[in-house]
Amino acid sequence: AQSVTQLGSHVSVSEGALVLLRCNYSSSVPPYLFWYVQYPNQGLQLLLKYTSAATLVKGINGFEAEFKKSETSFHLTKPSAHMSDAAEYFCAVSDTQGGSEKLVFGKGTKLTVNP
Amino acid sequence: GAGVSQTPSNKVTEKGKYVELRCDPISGHTALYWYRQSLGQGPEFLIYFQGTGAADDSGLPNDRFFAVRPEGSVSTLKIQRTERGDSAVYLCASSLARGRYNEQFFGPGTRLTVL
Repeated sequence: AQSVTQLGSHVSVSEGALVLLRCNYSSSVPPYLFWYVQYPNQGLQLLLKYTSAATLVKGINGFEAEFKKSETSFHLTKPSAHMSDAAEYFCAVSDTQGGSEKLVFGKGTKLTVNP
Repeated sequence: GAGVSQTPSNKVTEKGKYVELRCDPISGHTALYWYRQSLGQGPEFLIYFQGTGAADDSGLPNDRFFAVRPEGSVSTLKIQRTERGDSAVYLCASSLARGRYNEQFFGPGTRLTVL
């Protein structure tokens, strides 16, 4: 079965600083990986996804993630944090066991941006 | 266009009662998913519909949980004899078709509180 692990349940950065949110995956097949963002009292919104076309994936709001097979990682980065980036971020992997393409999520990382 | 909608947004019930949670997917989306998000956790898969049929219900925790999608559009998640441990945010997602790479679009969720 596929799974993901997010290191760090809380990350705090200053406005303008680099954002790095970590995600490691475990998969018996080539993985399809996703990053979602959840703002307070809202549903999850897709930031970006890796589907094997390119290892560096660019998403919305200036975020990007790099797929590294050797490290089984898919870390999310943004060069310069903005106050509006404060939210909870979830890494997920597509799991086809059971006949569906359900997503298996990590526990999430809450990002705080300090002025 | 309209996104995924879920009603009610909040539901408070007493232990032992029956509840129904409704999901209206994006028009034309054939795949529909239910997830449950407990406090401090990532969403966990419950059930997947392709059209009218439940293609994967491996995530339903027990037989108190049941879901239907009779016309291949709106879905209802039904919980019998609710327990305090059922308190969580129930998320619905839809996607255009089958495929591991297909984006799942999430609704805002229904927050269920069992007293």
